[in-house]
Amino acid sequence: DTEVTQTPKHLVMGMTNKKSLKCEQHMGHRAMYWYKQKAKKPPELMFVYSYEKLSINESVPSRFSPECPNSSLLNLHLHALQPEDSALYLCASSQEEGQAGANVLTFGAGSRLTVL
Amino acid sequence: QKEVEQNSGPLSVPEGAIASLNCTYSDRGSQSFFWYRQYSGKSPELIMFIYSNGDKEDGRFTAQLNKASQYVSLLIRDSQPSDSATYLCAVNRGKSTFGDGTTLTVKP
Repeated sequence: DTEVTQTPKHLVMGMTNKKSLKCEQHMGHRAMYWYKQKAKKPPELMFVYSYEKLSINESVPSRFSPECPNSSLLNLHLHALQPEDSALYLCASSQEEGQAGANVLTFGAGSRLTVL
Repeated sequence: QKEVEQNSGPLSVPEGAIASLNCTYSDRGSQSFFWYRQYSGKSPELIMFIYSNGDKEDGRFTAQLNKASQYVSLLIRDSQPSDSATYLCAVNRGKSTFGDGTTLTVKP
């Protein structure tokens, strides 16, 4: 079992829906991440939450909004998505962001999102 | 130029052979380097990381790093069909940037 838990595993939503993806880690890691992965492409970083500070990939549209209730939880709120947003959304955590050798990513199993 | 480039695949080797996966990166300030394996439909999992020049061995896997040439490689000895997967090279300077991946098929 992965130490990073993502729910739901699968999500189908319409373009007018509001939904959330949830991620939890119990490894005491200080950094958490959301990645988006399209088929046959590498993961693309969307957001980083580290030491209570959020870093945003500026290319990510505002219909995606992260929320970090505490250091072990990271949510991704989805609103007014487009069909091209359909992808595998991966949550990951690491001990620390930016420290050489300490930023091995542990990924969750992913949430497969389909936007109709 | 992409930040992280991997040798184009797919790569096919017979069972028991050595599979060689290569990766180059553009940012000389990169500090740590990772190889992740991703099975189809699954999430990436760490194979190895390396941050000093030279070789690092773990079982059948050897990572090699040459910072002067900005080159990282992964050798898989005695390849098994269960090694068939996409291998992602990631380079970290504050944040991890992934290459496009190389798909490896090990044929029995």
